[in-house]
Amino acid sequence: DAGVIQSPRHEVTEMGQEVTLRCKPISGHNSLFWYRQTMMRGLELLIYFNNNVPIDDSGMPEDRFSAKMPNASFSTLKIQPSEPRDSAVYFCASSFKGANNSPLHFGNGTRLTVT
Amino acid sequence: QKEVEQDPGPLSVPEGAIVSLNCTYSNSAFQYFMWYRQYSRKGPELLMYTYSSGNKEDGRFTAQVDKSSKYISLFIRDSQPSDSATYLCALSPNAGGTSYGKLTFGQGTILTVHP
Repeated sequence: DAGVIQSPRHEVTEMGQEVTLRCKPISGHNSLFWYRQTMMRGLELLIYFNNNVPIDDSGMPEDRFSAKMPNASFSTLKIQPSEPRDSAVYFCASSFKGANNSPLHFGNGTRLTVT
Repeated sequence: QKEVEQDPGPLSVPEGAIVSLNCTYSNSAFQYFMWYRQYSRKGPELLMYTYSSGNKEDGRFTAQVDKSSKYISLFIRDSQPSDSATYLCALSPNAGGTSYGKLTFGQGTILTVHP
C-alpha cells in the first residue's frame, strides 16, 4: 500500500501565479479530503469528496480556491491567483466511507510558499 | 472560544516517563475521538480511534474519553525518543452524511522525549 501520494512536496511561487496541488488517494478509498495546516489556525478542512462528487466545500476560503476530482484516483486543488496568506502546508487525505467507515489516511503534504 | 482546545506545549520528558496529553471540547455533537501523531515534515498518522466513553488501550498508548466532562486524553507509557512528535486530537460528529470525515483538530502538542 503506497499510501496517499501528493505532489509536489514543495512549491514556491510569486503572488498572482496559479498553483495546482495534486493528490492520488489510496486505491479502494471512496472519500477524499483537502486540509490546510498553518501555525495560527492548525489543520482545517477545505473540501471533501465522496465517490468523486464534492460534498462539502464550506471550508474553501475564497473563490480563488477550486478543487476537482475527475476520477477515483486523482484530485487537484488549484489556487488562482495565489496570495502570500495562502502559504501553508496542504494535506490530502482519503478513507473508505461505507458500512465500516475507515479513519482518514493523510499524505505527507505540499508545503506552499507564496512570495 | 475554539471548539477544541489543546495545550500546544512544548512538553519535554525523560525517556521512560508516562506522558499525558489532553484536549477539551465544547460541542456535544462530537461523537468520534481520534489521536493523530505527526512527525516533522510528515502527514498526521492515526494512533487511536474511539467513539465511546472510557478507556481504549493499544500497546503503550491508552486513549481516554469522558463525554460528560468533554475531556479526552492520550497516555503514553514508557515513552521513547521515537515518540517525539506533535500529537493532535481530532473530533468528529456522527459518522454519517456530510459530517463524515469532517474532523475538527486541536492545535497539537509538541512532545520531546529525551534519552
